[in-house]
Amino acid sequence: DAGITQSPRHKVTETGTPVTLRCHQTENHRYMYWYRQDPGHGLRLIHYSYGVKDTDKGEVSDGYSVSRSKTEDFLLTLESATSSQTSVYFCAISAAGGPSDTQYFGPGTRLTVL
Amino acid sequence: TQLLEQSPQFLSIQEGENLTVYCNSSSVFSSLQWYRQEPGEGPVLLVTVVTGGEVKKLKRLTFQFGDARKDSSLHITAAQPGDTGLYLCAGVGGSQGNLIFGKGTKLSVKP
Repeated sequence: DAGITQSPRHKVTETGTPVTLRCHQTENHRYMYWYRQDPGHGLRLIHYSYGVKDTDKGEVSDGYSVSRSKTEDFLLTLESATSSQTSVYFCAISAAGGPSDTQYFGPGTRLTVL
Repeated sequence: TQLLEQSPQFLSIQEGENLTVYCNSSSVFSSLQWYRQEPGEGPVLLVTVVTGGEVKKLKRLTFQFGDARKDSSLHITAAQPGDTGLYLCAGVGGSQGNLIFGKGTKLSVKP
């Protein structure tokens, strides 16, 4: 199994509260991704990173920011959580980021915003 | 926007039955991937198909990429309870050329 951990695994928070989710990898892969998974929508890309301090927006980036100060860590921040951000969040990594490159997923973080 | 439509959405069958899951698009993809996701876990890659008409086998699972590279199918022979899970197809698309996912087929195999 690829060495990817996510923390916390579960979180319940209130509307308007800032939240930071962490993804940590031990594979030294260059690319890291944050997805959210919702019933009826599947997996959707929020942000991704192609190197330290190099990030870009995905399909559903509004309300989210990311940071990557080290190769192994990719943080996802909800500046002011809303109920629509209740979801399961997955981090993924890949070595080369190419179209056929394998993405390895973490175990997910279940976030509930009340 | 490129979309991947998966069917059926849900499938509940008895152990030993065969099944086929479909992944269709109106767009051409350079490659398609199939993932399986078990409850409480992240998706795990099963296979990547690259060439139109390609067929790949993984034990009882057979994956096919359409000749026009717009669709793919996953066929499971003699399904077992361990095959239970969410099956996702994914292809490179979107404005940044990243992976886009279908909504998935939730398979339940009853003993």
